[in-house]
Amino acid sequence: DQQVKQNSPSLSVQEGRISILNCDYTNSMFDYFLWYKKYPAEGPTFLISISSIKDKNEDGRFTVFLNKSAKHLSLHIVPSQPGDSAVYFCAAKREAGGTSYGKLTFGQGTILTVHP
Amino acid sequence: NAGVTQTPKFQVLKTGQSMTLQCAQDMNHNSMYWYRQDPGMGLRLIYYSASEGTTDKGEVPNGYNVSRLNKREFSLRLESAAPSQTSVYFCASSEQRYGYTFGSGTRLTVV
Repeated sequence: DQQVKQNSPSLSVQEGRISILNCDYTNSMFDYFLWYKKYPAEGPTFLISISSIKDKNEDGRFTVFLNKSAKHLSLHIVPSQPGDSAVYFCAAKREAGGTSYGKLTFGQGTILTVHP
Repeated sequence: NAGVTQTPKFQVLKTGQSMTLQCAQDMNHNSMYWYRQDPGMGLRLIYYSASEGTTDKGEVPNGYNVSRLNKREFSLRLESAAPSQTSVYFCASSEQRYGYTFGSGTRLTVV
């Protein structure tokens, strides 16, 4: 039962264009969402997050959008750079109480390749 | 700034052998986690420790045990390794609402 799904295993984009990575979730109790970036032979690193009380959060070239009614979030990277080539994981958790407090559920990951 | 340190980085085991993966964090975080990463499966939670002295099962705990030795250290033990446990293992720590800090991973092959 995959509660967080990234249906695109890979994405290829030209340098300077927009990269859009998508993520869907099924658990309506999730109320905090994060994106992680992972380079080969390294651990994932935190990129950007969004609380369910917002529908958009920006940090430089990275913007995360949340559509709660559709249980969908997306990560936009504008403009894309070759250094952005990595695996991107979306993750979700339930912040407000419950035994799942603090635990992150991850998607399968999307390999982003940005071509010069 | 060591963050989260995992040892070893690589390991090859024979089926039936045992080993312990070590993890230590120096950020004074309360919570620690063990995940495994497999192709097409993303990161799946094996065990976690919400605070010193507590441990709980995650999504895929079978075949593993953990010990929260103190606030800094959280180890993962494979008592009798199986080929299905070939994976990359990541330890992480966090302080409640904030995101995780991950170690660089242990690549384990069971033959």
